[in-house]
Amino acid sequence: ETGVTQSPTHLIKTRGQQVTLRCSSQSGHNTVSWYQQALGQGPQFIFQYYREEENGRGNFPPRFSGLQFPNYSSELNVNALELDDSALYLCASSKGTENYGYTFGSGTRLTVV
Amino acid sequence: SQKIEQNSEALNIQEGKTATLTCNYTNYSPAYLQWYRQDPGRGPVFLLLIRENEKEKRKERLKVTFDTTLKQSLFHITASQPADSATYLCALPAPTSGTYKYIFGTGTRLKVLA
Repeated sequence: ETGVTQSPTHLIKTRGQQVTLRCSSQSGHNTVSWYQQALGQGPQFIFQYYREEENGRGNFPPRFSGLQFPNYSSELNVNALELDDSALYLCASSKGTENYGYTFGSGTRLTVV
Repeated sequence: SQKIEQNSEALNIQEGKTATLTCNYTNYSPAYLQWYRQDPGRGPVFLLLIRENEKEKRKERLKVTFDTTLKQSLFHITASQPADSATYLCALPAPTSGTYKYIFGTGTRLKVLA
């Protein structure tokens, strides 16, 4: 089975710009969750998508938005980038009705300058 | 709000010894708890899930305990090896029905010395 694939692996953006991060979920998984992990911190929940609908959101402003496609892949969009948005962005897939643990991708390292 | 505490200090142990990591939580009674391993620059990897009605769970050299009275989970690695060096995260499901989002601790960095 394929794992979770994220692209790009690294990205440098300027403050105020917009960015799109992509995630392909593991085969058989229909739920995608996005997390932000700042250096030295644990992952923080951004939002989750299940069957192409947002299914829960963490404490992040509306400039963080997402999409899930019919093949369960997903995008995370961040508008008006701020310096504090610099972090590792992690995508995790799971089967919607099970709690056996996430399968995480390797993440996208975003640096905002 | 829910809070998870892991020892933020790095844990250094000698190869072959047992490493014990602690996860404490407050203001919450989760139905289960998970442990993940994370290597630098990589995503976390799921290791074990333990439910509230399970006192202990084992997987190869790993053992997890879950004390719902103390609100604490202990994670043990026996016969530790340098390859076990990583950051270990505990995670609880957020108390929101219909979602499977997790609250993660900050992780404990383990270094096994050869």
